[in-house]
Amino acid sequence: AQTVTQSQPEMSVQEAETVTLSCTYDTSESDYYLFWYKQPPSRQMILVIRQEAYKQQNATENRFSVNFQKAAKSFSLKISDSQLGDAAMYFCAYRRGNFGNEKLTFGTGTRLTIIP
Amino acid sequence: DADVTQTPRNRITKTGKRIMLECSQTKGHDRMYWYRQDPGLGLRLIYYSFDVKDINKGEISDGYSVSRQAQAKFSLSLESAIPNQTALYFCATSDHNEKLFFGSGTQLSVL
Repeated sequence: AQTVTQSQPEMSVQEAETVTLSCTYDTSESDYYLFWYKQPPSRQMILVIRQEAYKQQNATENRFSVNFQKAAKSFSLKISDSQLGDAAMYFCAYRRGNFGNEKLTFGTGTRLTIIP
Repeated sequence: DADVTQTPRNRITKTGKRIMLECSQTKGHDRMYWYRQDPGLGLRLIYYSFDVKDINKGEISDGYSVSRQAQAKFSLSLESAIPNQTALYFCATSDHNEKLFFGSGTQLSVL
């Protein structure tokens, strides 16, 4: 079974600084997708960024980017120019790539605090 | 209006009671999911359904049942609630793409 590990239960960063959240995963598959979800205090789950395993280029969405290391099975999230609204729980998630396997496996989450 | 609607938003119940959490969606997706979130454990899959006639157990289905009444409706039942089922429950949908769309969650407390 696939597993997703987030080894940092909590992180904090000064406003306007950069922070990196770590995620590792275990799989024997070659085709899969990886995601970062944000859960603010409103508890809504918001997709931040996604990465296809077959793409070598790291995904970027505005201030959010990933460092995808397929051989190391590592998928970290970098948040640049941190803002107060970035404070949330962040979950890393994995999904197998073949059709009919859209269910996600989540990590345990990292709580990010932004220091004004 | 929300694309994925969960009711109720919050619920307090007693041990042994039967309770149903409801989920409806307007996205027209075939695939629907129920996840449970516990502090320190992340989200874990309870049940999922790829169409009205297809129901599958997830990793933590014991103590739960589901019903897919229509493409748009997927309900989760606890036949006899117990305190360790206290958690935040999420319904989600997806199409053939890989993105999940989540409801806003139901916080369930079992006393």
